[in-house]
Amino acid sequence: AQTVTQSQPEMSVQEAETVTLSCTYDTSESNYYLFWYKQPPSRQMILVIRQEAYKQQNATENRFSVNFQKAAKSFSLKISDSQLGDTAMYFCAFMKDNDYKLSFGAGTTVTVRA
Amino acid sequence: ETGVTQSPTHLIKTRGQQVTLRCSSQSGHNTVSWYQQALGQGPQFIFQYYREEENGRGNFPPRFSGLQFPNYSSELNVNALELDDSALYLCASSSPGPILNYGYTFGSGTRLTVV
Repeated sequence: AQTVTQSQPEMSVQEAETVTLSCTYDTSESNYYLFWYKQPPSRQMILVIRQEAYKQQNATENRFSVNFQKAAKSFSLKISDSQLGDTAMYFCAFMKDNDYKLSFGAGTTVTVRA
Repeated sequence: ETGVTQSPTHLIKTRGQQVTLRCSSQSGHNTVSWYQQALGQGPQFIFQYYREEENGRGNFPPRFSGLQFPNYSSELNVNALELDDSALYLCASSSPGPILNYGYTFGSGTRLTVV
């Protein structure tokens, strides 16, 4: 079974600054996929960014980027130029290759201060 | 293009009762998954339906059951409700083909409270 660990229950950041969320995972699989999801107060889970384990290049989506360290089984999310709308719960998730089930971490609450 | 809609948004039930939660998948999506998210935790996979059949199941007892209809809408049924079933129930749909290419589209969930 895969486990996903998010060690930071809460993070606070000033608007326009940068915040980094950590995520580690445990798996014996060689190929897999990692995700960061955002859950605002509206409760809808929104995909932020996705990384394929076979790709060495770190994924980037606008202000969001990841630092994927496969050997260390680490997958951190960096939010640059934080905006008030980034305030949400952020979940790291894992999925095996050719699978359909997401395994989520416990989440990190991010609060962006004006 | 419509998203995933779930009903009801909130629900209060008494221990021992039965509940049915509903989900309407995004247009063009023929796979639906259900997740349980307890307060302060990450979502846990309950099961997935593809073409009206259960395609995989997480570590949930048989009193959690589901249905998928020809129009790809779905139901989650929970019998003999327990206090620990209180949670946010999320429905997620995905389109044909490798899930990774398209990702899941999640609904906003049903908040179930068992008293």
